[in-house]
Amino acid sequence: DQQVKQNSPSLSVQEGRISILNCDYTNSMFDYFLWYKKYPAEGPTFLISISSIKDKNEDGRFTVFLNKSAKHLSLHIVPSQPGDSAVYFCAASGVINYGQNFVFGPGTRLSVLP
Amino acid sequence: DGGITQSPKYLFRKEGQNVTLSCEQNLNHDAMYWYRQDPGQGLRLIYYSQIVNDFQKGDIAEGYSVSREKKESFPLTVTSAQKNPTAFYLCASSNPGRGNTEAFFGQGTRLTVV
Repeated sequence: DQQVKQNSPSLSVQEGRISILNCDYTNSMFDYFLWYKKYPAEGPTFLISISSIKDKNEDGRFTVFLNKSAKHLSLHIVPSQPGDSAVYFCAASGVINYGQNFVFGPGTRLSVLP
Repeated sequence: DGGITQSPKYLFRKEGQNVTLSCEQNLNHDAMYWYRQDPGQGLRLIYYSQIVNDFQKGDIAEGYSVSREKKESFPLTVTSAQKNPTAFYLCASSNPGRGNTEAFFGQGTRLTVV
């Protein structure tokens, strides 16, 4: 039973356009949501996060939107650059079972075409 | 530089052998985690530890064991009981008690059973 879902395994976008990556979750107890970027054979690197009490957080070209009623969040990258090509993981954080834990989605592979 | 170090980067194991993956952090983080990544899947939690001398099973703990004798170290042993050990293993740490919301990852260890 996946608590964090990313229904698009892949996405292709033209350089300079907007990339929109989507994520859905099922557990209302999550209190933070995060996006990570990952290159092959490397560890994920943190991009941006949002608290469950906010609906938007912006950092440079990256903006995360949270719709709590729909249990949905999205990452917008504007403008997209070829260096953004990677796998993006959505993660949700909260006190799960025992202590803080992170639950990850399956990832979306973004390809930014020059 | 502060960070998380995983070693080795590549590891080969014969069937029936135990093998230990190293994870060291100098971020002074309380919590540490082990995840496993398989192709097309997200990061699945193996074990986690919120404080020294304490750890909890994650979603896929069978065939694995851990210890947390020091705050900075969280080694993972892949035992011969793990039926499908070939995967990319990621270690992470976080500091929930000090308001940090994200997890920081090491560069990963790719384990191959030959």
